Amino acid sequence: DIVMTQSPATLSVSPGDGATLSCRASQSVGSNVAWYQQKPGQAPRLLIYGASTRATGIPARFSGSGSGTEFTLTISSLQSEDFAVYFCQHHNNWPPYSFGQGTKLDIK
Amino acid sequence: EVQLAESGGGLVQPGGSLRLSCAASGFTFSSYEMNWVRQAPGKGLEWVSYITSSGTSIDYADSVKGRFTISRDNAKNSLFLQMNGLRAEDTAIYYCARRVGAFDDWGQGTLVTVSS
Repeated sequence: DIVMTQSPATLSVSPGDGATLSCRASQSVGSNVAWYQQKPGQAPRLLIYGASTRATGIPARFSGSGSGTEFTLTISSLQSEDFAVYFCQHHNNWPPYSFGQGTKLDIK
Repeated sequence: EVQLAESGGGLVQPGGSLRLSCAASGFTFSSYEMNWVRQAPGKGLEWVSYITSSGTSIDYADSVKGRFTISRDNAKNSLFLQMNGLRAEDTAIYYCARRVGAFDDWGQGTLVTVSS
């Protein structure tokens, strides 16, 4: 099974600054990676799919890149509502659809 | 608007059973693959099971294989997860999710607590 590994576990950033979150797949997944945001007490929300396509309604300050085994989620000019936990996931056309362990983005 | 609403969670003793339901609305349920994902308290997301739109293909995470059964009723726009032989480590919020490419839409989840 494909293992998704995220780094760092926690990232402390000041509002207005940018943040870069990483995700590595144990084998190539092409561009089939998604990113989700989860706030306390809420369900995850899809941000990015296909490694770089923003989901409907997602602000342009969120961008994704990468292919193969290395992927990045970049958030430019962090807003207060962006401080949350972020998960990557590979979404090949067959399961298991494994998730990374998450990166907590908190306020510095 | 796509809506997914889970129900059926609760407190159950180890070895017990529960049946979770997910009521879908706002889209053509019979056209989409559906999944269950769980999240233990304070932990990350774990994919649990999937079922194709017609129900002809099903798969499970190794951690639940042989104990959980996914099913759907397309006439009633509903997804189910029958959970038998529950263990303490199955304690989690269980979400149903619709997969288009990635998991585009999620319910709010239902809490399952396995404890004596």
